[in-house]
Amino acid sequence: GQNIDQPTEMTATEGAIVQINCTYQTSGFNGLFWYQQHAGEAPTFLSYNVLDGLEEKGRFSSFLSRSKGYSYLLLKELQMKDSASYLCAVSLGSGNTPLVFGKGTRLSVIA
Amino acid sequence: DGGITQSPKYLFRKEGQNVTLSCEQNLNHDAMYWYRQDPGQGLRLIYYSQIVNDFQKGDIAEGYSVSREKKESFPLTVTSAQKNPTAFYLCASSINGETQYFGPGTRLLVL
Repeated sequence: GQNIDQPTEMTATEGAIVQINCTYQTSGFNGLFWYQQHAGEAPTFLSYNVLDGLEEKGRFSSFLSRSKGYSYLLLKELQMKDSASYLCAVSLGSGNTPLVFGKGTRLSVIA
Repeated sequence: DGGITQSPKYLFRKEGQNVTLSCEQNLNHDAMYWYRQDPGQGLRLIYYSQIVNDFQKGDIAEGYSVSREKKESFPLTVTSAQKNPTAFYLCASSINGETQYFGPGTRLLVL
């Protein structure tokens, strides 16, 4: 089976930095995605990693280590609007294959 | 402008009733997907279609049916055989194995 683990909940302070970890054990790997999902809304795409290393996009960065089956999403200069769930998802193969999702990490940003 | 639309936003199902959730995209994407989201769970794949007139079952296809007669449309029917249909249903699409983009979702409730 496919296994993707991430913490259930995290709390961080406005203006701080938070790191959300994701570990995976899957039958295949063709990239890892991070999505943001506000309550009651659809997930929106944040980042994609297929090679090892860090991808930076504004206040958000994502890291991947394929040998360790590990990724993290780093959020800097936290804002209240960053309070949301963050979903880690793995693509198992090339082409238009479905994603396998973790259960999501609910992040609360407090003043 | 381009995007994915789902309707209705809320849907109520009576006992023994079949209901159909609509998903339309004008992004010219080849592949479309249906996921189900329950509280505290990740997104789980119901069905997906990589091309018109073809679709594959996902992990939780029992009690659901789909059709893909047009590239733009991928409706999902929740049949009476689905005993626990209350959930948030998300449709997504992608092209060439790239990022999946999600529609706004339909929340299905049982009366």
